[in-house]
Amino acid sequence: GEDVEQSLFLSVREGDSSVINCTYTDSSSTYLYWYKQEPGAGLQLLTYIFSNMDMKQDQRLTVLLNKKDKHLSLRIADTQTGDSAIYFCAAENSGGGADGLTFGKGTHLIIQP
Amino acid sequence: DTAVSQTPKYLVTQMGNDKSIKCEQNLGHDTMYWYKQDSKKFLKIMFSYNNKELIINETVPNRFSPKSPDKAHLNLHINSLELGDSAVYFCASSQMPSGSYEQYFGPGTRLTVT
Repeated sequence: GEDVEQSLFLSVREGDSSVINCTYTDSSSTYLYWYKQEPGAGLQLLTYIFSNMDMKQDQRLTVLLNKKDKHLSLRIADTQTGDSAIYFCAAENSGGGADGLTFGKGTHLIIQP
Repeated sequence: DTAVSQTPKYLVTQMGNDKSIKCEQNLGHDTMYWYKQDSKKFLKIMFSYNNKELIINETVPNRFSPKSPDKAHLNLHINSLELGDSAVYFCASSQMPSGSYEQYFGPGTRLTVT
């Protein structure tokens, strides 16, 4: 089955860019996602990318996809204290959306003043 | 508000009890899911339902049973609760077919088994 890996912690200074990396194993995943979870809250879909795209930009968020290496990254420009959260990378399971998503273990983004 | 809602938000119960968590979505989506998030924040899919049919059933104990009375609801029943069932349970829904299978998550139900 699909396996999604990401580092558990990332610490950045306020105003710097944050880059959260993720690798996945199933090359047939059509869509890859980034979710955000603030303390005590549910999951919020931040952005997603279709597998035939290399890059997607949405305001302060930039997603880069290297399909050959099965590597996905999320860049947050001008990181603010409100960006402090857990960021989950997720990939579609082999059955498409019907089989749900496989999530990475989440990256805790810590913002230093 | 259009959303995925879950009740209750918190559930504290004793080992051996039977409990249910309700989930409703008013997004008109065709597929609903249950995920479990453990104390280390690891998320794993448990079930998904499409048009009232179970599509997948991950390796969860048969004490857990999803029940979908209609397309907008997917409830989770848990029998003979165990300590290890303590977790946050998230319901989600998505539209099928769609270009992206975006899944929208409910706020979660924190289950504590004592």
